[in-house]
Amino acid sequence: GEDVEQSLFLSVREGDSSVINCTYTDSSSTYLYWYKQEPGAGLQLLTYIFSNMDMKQDQRLTVLLNKKDKHLSLRIADTQTGDSAIYFCAETTDNYGQNFVFGPGTRLSVLP
Amino acid sequence: EPEVTQTPSHQVTQMGQEVILRCVPISNHLYFYWYRQILGQKVEFLVSFYNNEISEKSEIFDDQFSVERPDGSNFTLKIRSTKLEDSAMYFCASSGAGGYNEQFFGPGTRLTVL
Repeated sequence: GEDVEQSLFLSVREGDSSVINCTYTDSSSTYLYWYKQEPGAGLQLLTYIFSNMDMKQDQRLTVLLNKKDKHLSLRIADTQTGDSAIYFCAETTDNYGQNFVFGPGTRLSVLP
Repeated sequence: EPEVTQTPSHQVTQMGQEVILRCVPISNHLYFYWYRQILGQKVEFLVSFYNNEISEKSEIFDDQFSVERPDGSNFTLKIRSTKLEDSAMYFCASSGAGGYNEQFFGPGTRLTVL
């Protein structure tokens, strides 16, 4: 079945860039997403990318998609302590009403 | 900004009891979902619901689980006879008819089965 993998931990210094990586197995993925989960909270959509795009930028966030390698990354510029959270990569293979497959999440720790 | 809400935020129950987790999706959304996240593990899909019926369900969603949209606003997940391993965070999500399948997630209900 479909699988999404991420490294589990990442530590960066405040002000540096963070790069969170994700790999997926389903080549028919249509949309790929990054969600943020702060302690005790729900999942907050950060950004998404459609599979025919290579890159998407949204303020401090840059998403890169390498469809050939099935690799997705999220770059956070000028990382702040408020960015400390778990970041989930997710993919779906359909436009409507289909389930997401989530990665295990990357815990980002931002050190002062 | 519209949001998905869930109640209760925390539910504690005895093994074997029935629980109903409630969700109020965003009002003009058409697709509804339940996911669960066992502590420290991945977020797992349980079920999706559209047009008053289940459109997809995972292996986790066995006969102990059921979903319902009893009125125009609520979406519920019922676990008929809870087991210890049902302890998890349960997230409701909804999506509309936009050009992409953005699912908006609720804050979750933490279910603890004793």
